[in-house]
Amino acid sequence: EVQLVQSGAEVKQPGESLKISCKGSGYTFANYWIGWVRQMPGKGLEWMGIIYPGDSDTRYSPSFQGQVTISADKSISTAYLQWSSLKASDTAMYYCAIPYGSGSYSFDYWGQGTLVTVSS
Amino acid sequence: DIQMTQSPSSLSASVGDRVTITCRASQSISTYLNWYQHKPGKAPKLLIYAASSLQSGVPSRFSGSGSGTDFTLTISSLQPEDFATFYCQQSYITPYTFGQGTNLEIK
Repeated sequence: EVQLVQSGAEVKQPGESLKISCKGSGYTFANYWIGWVRQMPGKGLEWMGIIYPGDSDTRYSPSFQGQVTISADKSISTAYLQWSSLKASDTAMYYCAIPYGSGSYSFDYWGQGTLVTVSS
Repeated sequence: DIQMTQSPSSLSASVGDRVTITCRASQSISTYLNWYQHKPGKAPKLLIYAASSLQSGVPSRFSGSGSGTDFTLTISSLQPEDFATFYCQQSYITPYTFGQGTNLEIK
């Protein structure tokens, strides 16, 4: 069974760094793109970027390029989303997801989400 | 980036109604169009991929159509569990942008 399990909720202060994770199981992690999606409070879904763990090829949305870093460690089947200096505006729910069985690069499997709260 | 525009942004309907949501891309995306349902506190759920292909396990009352720049999601007979926010997404070229969402509420 394909599963994506994300790390737990985080409460951070502005300026702090953070790395959240998404562990895949039930499939060959290195062979499938894994993406990150943001949902700010009361807002819609935003596609942040995607990584191919097999060779670490990474594509970012221009809106998030330079603001976050997406990485993956295929040896432990885990993808990461990290910030070097959080802002209050980074407060959001973050989902990882993969285009696995369906076509068209649609996200058919999702993690449960990680809530990040940035507040002083 | 390709801009995705959904209409309406919100919609009130009753159980049993037929509902249509539209999605327009700022440039042609062939049939690289996906639809998701999102309920509060849950992860989004893929309903339709490649514009008209029904994801496994999704009820047949959901259907999608369109190509190029104009797409529709239709729910043939609304059920109580269908009330949620719906998003289209293009997967033609990165960034794979989402529409702004359509909030489907109970009338």
